Amino acid sequence: EAGVTQFPSHSVIEKGQTVTLRCDPISGHDNLYWYRRVMGKEIKFLLHFVKESKQDESGMPNNRFLAERTGGTYSTLKVQPAELEDSGVYFCASSLVGQGNTEAFFGQGTRLTVV
Amino acid sequence: LAKTTQPISMDSYEGQEVNITCSHNNIATNDYITWYQQFPSQGPRFIIQGYKTKVTNEVASLFIPADRKSSTLSLPRVSLSDTAVYYCLVGDVLAGNMLTFGGGTRLMVKP
Repeated sequence: EAGVTQFPSHSVIEKGQTVTLRCDPISGHDNLYWYRRVMGKEIKFLLHFVKESKQDESGMPNNRFLAERTGGTYSTLKVQPAELEDSGVYFCASSLVGQGNTEAFFGQGTRLTVV
Repeated sequence: LAKTTQPISMDSYEGQEVNITCSHNNIATNDYITWYQQFPSQGPRFIIQGYKTKVTNEVASLFIPADRKSSTLSLPRVSLSDTAVYYCLVGDVLAGNMLTFGGGTRLMVKP
């Protein structure tokens, strides 16, 4: 079974440009999460989808970030326009809606560098 | 959300047992305790999860006292490949609540 897949693995863009990150969760996982780690800082929660609905987007830093999950399958995270402080590693995770213990599976992350 | 506190770093030697303790004084009734491992340039990887008492799987054990205000991850006979950052997370995973990462514990296993 495929794990959580993130694309691209690396992205280097100029300040002011737009970048779209994609996450393909494990099939059947209704929970989908986005996280970000800025250099030297902790991994921070961005938002949580249950199927196609945003359950919690309290971690989104500002309105330059837009996340979507059309049809409740893959998700995209768009940054427009990108700023230097957006550089970091963006992780996506998915999990089943719980019955019993539930583990979240993480992707390898997308390393975003804004120059 | 329950805040967690872990040691920033630990050193060990190959073959030793390593115990990493996490404090979570304001853990809620519905919260589970989950530990993740992360290697450089990879996403976090689930190790073990528990609610109370003791949980054991093929890679680790998790000890949770009755008051649940702390937990201890036990790694038996570590090897060099266990060098990683270990995160303790507390949350209502059955409700799908997001996981809050703390600083983690950087474990260095030496030969």
